[in-house]
Amino acid sequence: NAGVTQTPKFRVLKTGQSMTLLCAQDMNHEYMYWYRQDPGMGLRLIHYSVGEGTTAKGEVPDGYNVSRLKKQNFLLGLESAAPSQTSVYFCATDEGREYNEQFFGPGTRLTVL
Amino acid sequence: GQNIDQPTEMTATEGAIVQINCTYQTSGFNGLFWYQQHAGEAPTFLSYNVLDGLEEKGRFSSFLSRSKGYSYLLLKELQMKDSASYLCAVRDSNYQLIWGAGTKLIIKP
Repeated sequence: NAGVTQTPKFRVLKTGQSMTLLCAQDMNHEYMYWYRQDPGMGLRLIHYSVGEGTTAKGEVPDGYNVSRLKKQNFLLGLESAAPSQTSVYFCATDEGREYNEQFFGPGTRLTVL
Repeated sequence: GQNIDQPTEMTATEGAIVQINCTYQTSGFNGLFWYQQHAGEAPTFLSYNVLDGLEEKGRFSSFLSRSKGYSYLLLKELQMKDSASYLCAVRDSNYQLIWGAGTKLIIKP
């Protein structure tokens, strides 16, 4: 079992370019999350999904869009990248109960020039 | 606002014991998690507390006091591989995880 995977692992964009980050899980979890992690700050929730076909905004959703067309995949899109979006992006999944731990993908390191 | 505080960095000696504190102020409380994150890697789950008291898991223990908004992670018999960041996270009334900035633990021989 691969668990939670993310593609790509690294990416460099120019300001204004667009890209999509893919998260895939084979754990059959209902809930999926996108976080960003910046130095000196805690993980911040961008968007999340509680099941196939659903999405919701987190703490820092501006400049990002998401889609969950299939249960196992959660896509994060940047329509017009900005330097402020330079960060490490983590996808996570869990079973949706308060005591469930989240399982994380390996992360995507994005640099926007 | 919601806030989770942890020390930024701590240093300890191989074989010793270290305690990493976490204080929180959140809208509601549905459990507290500790995660370990090695440099350049993803966070991995260590422990979960929802009731007051101590949870022990091998060399690692986690304590919670809900009335004080306080938790600590205790690491015993420190090994070099324990050098990592330790993240405290609280599940709030909306069932979202609110994360602290993490404590970087440096182990010296």
